[in-house]
Amino acid sequence: EIALTQSPGTLSLSPGERAALSCRASQSVNSNYLAWYQHKPGQAPRLLIFGTSNRATGIPDRFSGSGSGTDFTLTISRLEPEDFAVYYCQLYGRSLTFGGGTKVDIK
Amino acid sequence: QVQLVQSGAEMKKPGSSVKVSCKASGGPFNTYAINWVRQAPGQGLEWMGGIIPIFGTADYAQKFQGRVTITMDESTRTAHMELSSLRSDDTAVYYCARGGYVWGSSRSTYYYFDFWGQGTLVRVSS
Repeated sequence: EIALTQSPGTLSLSPGERAALSCRASQSVNSNYLAWYQHKPGQAPRLLIFGTSNRATGIPDRFSGSGSGTDFTLTISRLEPEDFAVYYCQLYGRSLTFGGGTKVDIK
Repeated sequence: QVQLVQSGAEMKKPGSSVKVSCKASGGPFNTYAINWVRQAPGQGLEWMGGIIPIFGTADYAQKFQGRVTITMDESTRTAHMELSSLRSDDTAVYYCARGGYVWGSSRSTYYYFDFWGQGTLVRVSS
C-alpha cells in the first residue's frame, strides 16, 4: 500500500506570507489522483485541489497545486487569516489514503 | 446545494456496535459514491469504505474489513455505516463524504470527495 508523508508537521507563518506544503508518496503515483483538503476544528474537511493542480469549485486562486511522481506541493501564495488550518493530501483511485497532515498556524 | 446531514453523537460501550446515518439532499444521488472517513483524536483522516448507491455494492479498507458494514436506503437517500466490536480506539469523529467512482465487479475505484457531512462523534468507553 502506498503511504503519503506530509512535511513539515507544523508550519508557523504570518498572514501575507507564502506557504509551501509537501506531500511525498512512497512510490510513484498517477498525478491525476492526488487531492488536497483543508480542515478546520469542528468543521468538515473542504476539497481544495484534485488531480494535483485543479482547483475545486469556489476555491480562491491563491491556492495552487503542483508535482508529479512522488513529490507534490500545495502552495498558498499569500496567507489570509481564514487559511490557518490543517491540510491533508489524499491519494485516490486504486489506493485511497491520506497523508498525516500539515498544520499551518499563526506565527 | 448538496447537503449531507449525519445523525447525532453516540456513546457506546466496548464490544457493542454503532450505526451512523448520512442523509443526502440537494443534488444527484445515484451518480456518486458515499464514503466514510474517520478522525480519531489528534490523528489524521482515515478512509473506512464506500458504497455505490446505484449498484448497492460496498468496498472496505482492509483495516476495517469484517467489522464495518456500509449500506444504502435509496428511498430515503440515506447511507448507513455500522461498526461492530467497538474498542476505545474507535473513539473518533466519523464523516460521510460524496465522491466520484469507477465501478468494478470485484472492487470499485473511489475518487476525491467534494461534499462532506458535518461529522458524528462516537465515543467508546466503559
